[in-house]
Amino acid sequence: EIVLTQSPGTLSLSPGEGATLSCRASQSVLSDYLDWYQQKPGQAPRLLIFGTSSRATGIPDRFRGSGSGTDFTLTITRLEPEDFAVYYCQHYDPSPPQGTFGQGTKLEIK
Amino acid sequence: EVQLVESGGGLVQPGRSLRLSCAASGFTFDDYGMHWVRQAPGKGLEWVAGLTWNSGNIGYADSVRGRFSITRDNAKKSLFLQMNSLRPEDTALYYCAKQYYRGAFDIWGQGTRVTVSS
Repeated sequence: EIVLTQSPGTLSLSPGEGATLSCRASQSVLSDYLDWYQQKPGQAPRLLIFGTSSRATGIPDRFRGSGSGTDFTLTITRLEPEDFAVYYCQHYDPSPPQGTFGQGTKLEIK
Repeated sequence: EVQLVESGGGLVQPGRSLRLSCAASGFTFDDYGMHWVRQAPGKGLEWVAGLTWNSGNIGYADSVRGRFSITRDNAKKSLFLQMNSLRPEDTALYYCAKQYYRGAFDIWGQGTRVTVSS
């Protein structure tokens, strides 16, 4: 079973700064199956990045995903006030269907 | 409008059963895999169960395997989660989600709350 470990647990930054969020897998995973979500309080999660580096519909280009093997990164350049939220990485194994989420990184306003 | 609407949550005693439903609209339901994801109060996301478009491939989290059953009715554009032998640790907001590219979930409902307590 793959375990995803996100770091840091909490990241305190100011609007306009850049953010780097890490997701480390306990074993190598296929890049096609690593995704990132944003969740704000009281809302359902929203897909940000799929297949490691592709932005979902409507996601601004200040969000960038990268990585391979066991190490994946979500980078947010020039933080906007609406970017402060909790971010989760997810790995999916298709056969049989099996999903795994990281524990989340809370991005808070400094 | 692409939409998922969950229902069926509520307060239930430990050991009892509950059946969640998810009604889909705005997309070709039987083209996509579907999943249930839950979130305990104040906690992170936990994938619960998922199945392919034709129910040919089904998977469960270890925490629910043998107690929960995921099914779908493509004619009715609906997803279901039968939850048996409920435990207090099953208390959570349960989301249904549509699978997009590979394993990404691009559409989520607003969730239905399940509370397991005596």
